Amino acid sequence: EAGVAQSPRYKIIEKRQSVAFWCNPISGHATLYWYQQILGQGPKLLIQFQNNGVVDDSQLPKDRFSAERLKGVDSTLKIQPAKLEDSAVYLCASSFGTAPNEQYFGPGTRLTVT
Amino acid sequence: AQSVAQPEDQVNVAEGNPLTVKCTYSVSGNPYLFWYVQYPNRGLQFLLKYITGDNLVKGSYGFEAEFNKSQTSFHLKKPSALVSDSALYFCAVRDGQAGTALIFGKGTTLSVSS
Repeated sequence: EAGVAQSPRYKIIEKRQSVAFWCNPISGHATLYWYQQILGQGPKLLIQFQNNGVVDDSQLPKDRFSAERLKGVDSTLKIQPAKLEDSAVYLCASSFGTAPNEQYFGPGTRLTVT
Repeated sequence: AQSVAQPEDQVNVAEGNPLTVKCTYSVSGNPYLFWYVQYPNRGLQFLLKYITGDNLVKGSYGFEAEFNKSQTSFHLKKPSALVSDSALYFCAVRDGQAGTALIFGKGTTLSVSS
């Protein structure tokens, strides 16, 4: 079974630029999550989708972050404009349903904002 | 509010010795508890979970965890550590009756020496 795919793996941008991350979940997984993991901290949920609908985006900085999941499969997370504090690893995860089902994580995208 | 505490930034054990990585939690309802492991430059991998039932949960790679409701703890254990167990371990909790987000601890680095 193929795992969660993410691209790019690494990205370096200057502050005020925009960036987009892509995620392809495990086939058949209806629930998709985007997390932000700052160095030395645990992952923090940014947004959760159930199929193509948003379930929880309470911690998404909506003035600069946006995410979509068209057709209930792939998802894109965008940051515009980026700030220095956005430097982090962005993890995508998917699960067959919501908790208590375990989540399967992709390798992440390491973003450096200079 | 939900929270997770991993009181140790790092745990050091010798190969062949038992290991324990500590986790305590706070939720208002019944907890769903998870342990994940993260290897360098890779995403988080699911180890085990507690939802209900037997307080001792067995998971991948010989790991187990004991749910203690009175102490609100969910410590990760392994009878005999391997050098290959060296990694970053995250405990996570979700309130089984409220909310959707999985809350992660800050992580504990396990270092197993040969």
